[in-house]
Amino acid sequence: GAVVSQHPSRVICKSGTSVKIECRSLDFQATTMFWYRQFPKQSLMLMATSNEGSKATYEQGVEKDKFLINHASLTLSTLTVTSAHPEDSSFYICSARVASSYNSPLHFGNGTRLTVT
Amino acid sequence: DAKTTQPPSMDCAEGRAANLPCNHSTISGNEYVYWYRQIHSQGPQYIIHGLKNNETNEMASLIITEDRKSSTLILPHATLRDTAVYYCIVRVGTGTASKLTFGTGTRLQVTL
Repeated sequence: GAVVSQHPSRVICKSGTSVKIECRSLDFQATTMFWYRQFPKQSLMLMATSNEGSKATYEQGVEKDKFLINHASLTLSTLTVTSAHPEDSSFYICSARVASSYNSPLHFGNGTRLTVT
Repeated sequence: DAKTTQPPSMDCAEGRAANLPCNHSTISGNEYVYWYRQIHSQGPQYIIHGLKNNETNEMASLIITEDRKSSTLILPHATLRDTAVYYCIVRVGTGTASKLTFGTGTRLQVTL
């Protein structure tokens, strides 16, 4: 149980275009989802917290207008990287928490590797 | 906010127990300790979590000291597939505002 599916697993896009990444909780409802970014040989860095039906909360230094997050249902959150540039190339990972269980562990997707050319 | 410190790397022979330490000296009374691991180019995999008592599941055991300032993850019989970066994490914040922030973790290398 508690499977998080992330799509696509890899994407290559041209500089200036936008890319949408989907994160789905397959067998549970997730009131809250989290988006992380990971650069090579570094740890995961939390970008934003996505709450169903409300605006996302962004971590300091993360541009909300560049990384658009939508959490329209209890099983789906999307991250759109707008006007992507080569420096946005990274490994993006989402995670989800079972609804109304704040101490339960997060379950992670398998990540999306974004390459901007 | 609690933070964790872990050794950057450890080696373990296959078949032996891997004991991964974590220091969380600033943890507060109601904060859980979570352990995840990440194999190259994959999302983190949940291993185990605990509050006060020692915990065991099919993957590992978690030993938490009585003062809760440190813990040890034990992989009882390490295999080559256990080679990964292991993260010890304490939840930051409360309720809907709570989140998991990752430190640098311990890179465990299991060898023949």
